[in-house]
Amino acid sequence: EILMTQSPATLSVSPGERATLSCRASQSVSSNLAWYQQKPGQAPRLLIYGAFSRAAGIPDRFSGSGSGTEFTLTISSLQSEDFAVYYCQQYDNWPPYTFGQGTKLEIK
Amino acid sequence: EMQLVESGGGLIQPGGSLRLSCAASGLTVSTNYMNWVRQAPGKGLEWVSIIHRGGSTYYADSVKGRFTISRDNSKNTLYLQMNSLTAEDTALYYCARGFYGMNVWGQGTTVTVSS
Repeated sequence: EILMTQSPATLSVSPGERATLSCRASQSVSSNLAWYQQKPGQAPRLLIYGAFSRAAGIPDRFSGSGSGTEFTLTISSLQSEDFAVYYCQQYDNWPPYTFGQGTKLEIK
Repeated sequence: EMQLVESGGGLIQPGGSLRLSCAASGLTVSTNYMNWVRQAPGKGLEWVSIIHRGGSTYYADSVKGRFTISRDNSKNTLYLQMNSLTAEDTALYYCARGFYGMNVWGQGTTVTVSS
């Protein structure tokens, strides 16, 4: 089973600034990685798939990068609606599909 | 608009069984990869099971042998039969479409296993 590790657990950033979230896989997942956003009381929302492709309707301030074992989700110029929990998920080596433990992005 | 609506959750005693349903609209369950994902209270996301378009099914080790994923094409509905439930199965259960990232999610149904 591939272990996904996200860092940091909590990230405090001011609105308008850039946020950089990291995700590391215990072995290579190629580019088979997705990012999700989850707000309190809501279902997760797909942001990025294939490590860097934005899902439909996702603003271009969200960008993904990386391959192999190291991945990054960057949110440029944070908006108030971006403060949420973010999860990475690999779909390269399955079952199981595995999620990271999440990064909580909070307002500084 | 694509929509998934889960139902069937509730309070169940340890060792009991429950069947969750996920009714789809705007998409066809039988032609999509359909998943169940759960989230324990205050915890992260855990993938539970998937049924492929061709009907193949896969499970997380934590539920293998106890849970069964299925679909009813005539009702365009996904199911999760859960047996031998334990407190560790207490969670919000989501159904979600997708293989290369899950891009349609329901709002979830809550399962609480407690005596």
